[in-house]
Amino acid sequence: KAGVTQTPRYLIKTRGQQVTLSCSPISGHRSVSWYQQTPGQGLQFLFEYFSETQRNKGNFPGRFSGRQFSNSRSEMNVSTLELGDSALYLCASSSDRAHNSPLHFGNGTRLTVT
Amino acid sequence: AQSVTQLGSHVSVSEGALVLLRCNYSSSVPPYLFWYVQYPNQGLQLLLKYTSAATLVKGINGFEAEFKKSETSFHLTKPSAHMSDAAEYFCAVSEPAGNKLTFGGGTRVLVKP
Repeated sequence: KAGVTQTPRYLIKTRGQQVTLSCSPISGHRSVSWYQQTPGQGLQFLFEYFSETQRNKGNFPGRFSGRQFSNSRSEMNVSTLELGDSALYLCASSSDRAHNSPLHFGNGTRLTVT
Repeated sequence: AQSVTQLGSHVSVSEGALVLLRCNYSSSVPPYLFWYVQYPNQGLQLLLKYTSAATLVKGINGFEAEFKKSETSFHLTKPSAHMSDAAEYFCAVSEPAGNKLTFGGGTRVLVKP
């Protein structure tokens, strides 16, 4: 079974631009979560989608948004990029919404904002 | 709000020595706890999870963790370190609803030959 796939692996953007990251979950998984990882703040939860509905949201500004499609694939968008948005963005999928279901992570998209 | 504290951002062990990574949590409800490992330039891989079935949880790669409610701890151990164990380890607690994980700050393990 293929794992969680994130594209692209690396991105370089300029301040003020916007970016879209993509995540394909493990086949059959309906929950997709996004996390931001930085050296200073560590791993922080962005949001979770289940069956195309956002079910949980972290403490990030409205510039960060996401969506999930009917095939469970998910995208996250960051508008008006800031230098502080440079991070590794990790997507994780799970088979259901139960909070003891393990998350399966992709290898991430490393975003650099210059 | 739930929180996780990992004592020690860096740990250095000799190959063959005991690995002990400390994790303390706070939670208002019975917690679901996880340990993840991250190798360079990769995502996180689940080592083990605690879901109240047993206090001693065995995971992959020879790791295990013990849940101690009285100490609000979930420390990770491995009897004998291997060079391949060099990585960063994260303890996490799950929210009661949904799949939101709150992570500790991580502990980077260096294994010396």
